Amino acid sequence: DAGITQSPRHKVTETGTPVTLRCHQTENHRYMYWYRQDPGHGLRLIHYSYGVKDTDKGEVSDGYSVSRSKTEDFLLTLESATSSQTSVYFCAISEGIAGIYEQYFGPGTRLTVT
Amino acid sequence: AQSVTQLGSHVSVSEGALVLLRCNYSSSVPPYLFWYVQYPNQGLQLLLKYTSAATLVKGINGFEAEFKKSETSFHLTKPSAHMSDAAEYFCAVKIDTGNQFYFGTGTSLTVIP
Repeated sequence: DAGITQSPRHKVTETGTPVTLRCHQTENHRYMYWYRQDPGHGLRLIHYSYGVKDTDKGEVSDGYSVSRSKTEDFLLTLESATSSQTSVYFCAISEGIAGIYEQYFGPGTRLTVT
Repeated sequence: AQSVTQLGSHVSVSEGALVLLRCNYSSSVPPYLFWYVQYPNQGLQLLLKYTSAATLVKGINGFEAEFKKSETSFHLTKPSAHMSDAAEYFCAVKIDTGNQFYFGTGTSLTVIP
């Protein structure tokens, strides 16, 4: 299994509070991704990173920000959590982009915003 | 733009029966195609991937998928379902120069004893 951990694994927070989720990898892969998973929507890309301090928006980036100061860590921040951000969040890593590089996924973080 | 359609959000099969999970894609250029499996409370695991080397791709746990360009399909099959196959299955597509994966909405497989 790829060395990907996510923390916390579960979190309950109140509307309006800031939340930061952490993804940590030990594979030294260049590319890292944050997805959210919701019933009926599959996985939707929030943000991704193609190197330290290099990030870009995905399909559902509104209300989220990311940072990557080290190769191994990719942080997802909800500046002011809303109930619509209740979801399961997955981090993924990939060795490359061009070509047949698959993604490897972390175990997920279940976030509930009350 | 790329997109993936998985027909049937829920599929039930009897233990020992054929498993068929459908995936159709839309892509303006030849895509790379993937099937992932997700067990409860876990992340996604790669089952198999299509790389254009062969149209019939064999994956883990006895699963295989066939790429049919004329039908823009990449259906997942397994000859004989096992109870341990109960999970959620996702089809995904990306293009060679693309930087994003596009996932289908998933198919939940139930195996009936």
